[in-house]
Amino acid sequence: TQLLEQSPQFLSIQEGENLTVYCNSSSVFSSLQWYRQEPGEGPVLLVTVVTGGEVKKLKRLTFQFGDARKDSSLHITAAQPGDTGLYLCAGARTGNNRKLIWGLGTSLAVNP
Amino acid sequence: DAMVIQNPRYQVTQFGKPVTLSCSQTLNHNVMYWYQQKSSQAPKLLFHYYDKDFNNEADTPDNFQSRRPNTSFCFLDIRSPGLGDAAMYLCATSRDHYTQYFGPGTRLTVL
Repeated sequence: TQLLEQSPQFLSIQEGENLTVYCNSSSVFSSLQWYRQEPGEGPVLLVTVVTGGEVKKLKRLTFQFGDARKDSSLHITAAQPGDTGLYLCAGARTGNNRKLIWGLGTSLAVNP
Repeated sequence: DAMVIQNPRYQVTQFGKPVTLSCSQTLNHNVMYWYQQKSSQAPKLLFHYYDKDFNNEADTPDNFQSRRPNTSFCFLDIRSPGLGDAAMYLCATSRDHYTQYFGPGTRLTVL
């Protein structure tokens, strides 16, 4: 059972387009992290969200944590080729922060 | 800059030949994790250390062992690598299980 559903799994867009990646669950998370991973490298932390309804912005990236802390989204405005990579969401469940619950990832390709 | 360092970045070993991967951190985090990641999959937690306490995942094969001689260093030992153990091995650290910070990974090839 995949506790954190991430969608879409693959996304290929043109430079300048906007996109949104979703992570959804029926479980409540105490925090949720978004990572970006390039081929042959480790995941790089983009953001941690902890408060229901929280919105964080990182340049052209906007992250939102759902009011009930069961879901999150990542929105990229005016995507650039440098945004290409695997985007992973990972949640820490209340009372069990040791083991992150991972989404399966969204592989994003931004074409020039 | 504070960081998580993994050595080597690429490791080639022969079937059945023991191999050790290393991880060091300058973040002074008390928790260190080892993950296995296969192509296009999410990382899979093998085990972690909370301070000196070792915590093994139930489905981690006995072939995988770990050592943490001090706060800064952690090692992953694969006693008898099989072809199925070829993967990216990721080390991560955190302060009290909060946000995890990953190293660049070691790509293991088993011949």
